[in-house]
Amino acid sequence: EAAVTQSPRNKVTVTGGNVTLSCRQTNSHNYMYWYRQDTGHGLRLIHYSYGAGNLQIGDVPDGYKATRTTQEDFFLLLELASPSQTSLYFCASSEGLGNYAEQFFGPGTRLTVL
Amino acid sequence: GDSVTQTEGPVTLSEGTSLTVNCSYETKQYPTLFWYVQYPGEGPQLLFKVPKANEKGSNRGFEATYNKEATSFHLQKASVQESDSAVYYCALRTGNTGKLIFGLGTTLQVQP
Repeated sequence: EAAVTQSPRNKVTVTGGNVTLSCRQTNSHNYMYWYRQDTGHGLRLIHYSYGAGNLQIGDVPDGYKATRTTQEDFFLLLELASPSQTSLYFCASSEGLGNYAEQFFGPGTRLTVL
Repeated sequence: GDSVTQTEGPVTLSEGTSLTVNCSYETKQYPTLFWYVQYPGEGPQLLFKVPKANEKGSNRGFEATYNKEATSFHLQKASVQESDSAVYYCALRTGNTGKLIFGLGTTLQVQP
């Protein structure tokens, strides 16, 4: 079973604050993804990565940076947090890009920007 | 662009009744279709995938058949249980990026 962990699980910051969300997967998956989940919008892809040092832009990237430092670790950075970024953030990983490659999700990080 | 549209909830059912969650999609590329389930306090997890037209995917009593002509893959279960209470997402993958496009999710509440 794929294992994806996220930290912190909850975070409160103020407008303009600097926040880093962390994600680690321990199943040697090459592909990792960051989503945000909001009522009325479902899950939306922010950034994703094919491997260490690689970064791809997702569907809602504005206000977010990401960095993939190793195969295991993928970070989401909010350098000037705004209340509109209050959300539940999920990280996911998958083995490949093929049609049968399942995405495994972490437990989520709830971020509140005051 | 690619999109997915599904039944909006919440849906409240009694145990033992049947469930249908409608999902349709739009894409000009070859689709791979999934149903994910999300229990309270957890991340989404794969329920099953439906890889080919006119084939059925199934798991835990849930099933869906991909209708290529109607561009749909509705989720069904004949007899729901209280433990099925969760949010259900249909998802579409196209191309070679691995990206998933999710529907808005359908919240199911099953009452004993």
